[in-house]
Amino acid sequence: AQSVAQPEDQVNVAEGNPLTVKCTYSVSGNPYLFWYVQYPNRGLQFLLKYITGDNLVKGSYGFEAEFNKSQTSFHLKKPSALVSDSALYFCAVRENNAGNMLTFGGGTRLMVKP
Amino acid sequence: DAGITQSPRHKVTETGTPVTLRCHQTENHRYMYWYRQDPGHGLRLIHYSYGVKDTDKGEVSDGYSVSRSKTEDFLLTLESATSSQTSVYFCAISDRGGPEETQYFGPGTRLLVL
Repeated sequence: AQSVAQPEDQVNVAEGNPLTVKCTYSVSGNPYLFWYVQYPNRGLQFLLKYITGDNLVKGSYGFEAEFNKSQTSFHLKKPSALVSDSALYFCAVRENNAGNMLTFGGGTRLMVKP
Repeated sequence: DAGITQSPRHKVTETGTPVTLRCHQTENHRYMYWYRQDPGHGLRLIHYSYGVKDTDKGEVSDGYSVSRSKTEDFLLTLESATSSQTSVYFCAISDRGGPEETQYFGPGTRLLVL
């Protein structure tokens, strides 16, 4: 069965510093990995996904994520954090034979302080 | 929010009453999903639809039913609401199935069952 873990409930970072939000996954086949962001009282917005190919995936708002097969990780990164990046971030995974079933992590709250 | 509306946006109801939530899309996408979001659990799939009158169960389907009589509308019904169904409910859509598909989310419905 597919699963995903976000080990940090909250990440605090100062504006202008690099940020990393961690995600690890478990699948029985090839993983398809996604990051979403949720701003207060809003739905989830798609940031980026990994399907195959280059391990570094670039997405919206300057975010990128690095797929690491040996460590089964898909960490979200940004070189320079903005206060407006403060939000709830979700990692999600789907394995090849899972049909449409997308499994989400519990979420990580990112707080960027001025 | 990707041409998706949800109604109502907020609802307070009493235990034992029926509740219907509506998801409406203007994208003409084939696939529609209902999730619930609870702290620490991320999003969990309740039911999904892969076409008009074609639906299937997700991870947490007990106590919920769905219907899809038109491409644009996907209804979620709580036959007899319980306090454990207090949650935020999100609808999502996608234009094709398969492991690579990206799901796009509506703004959510906040449901409180007293």
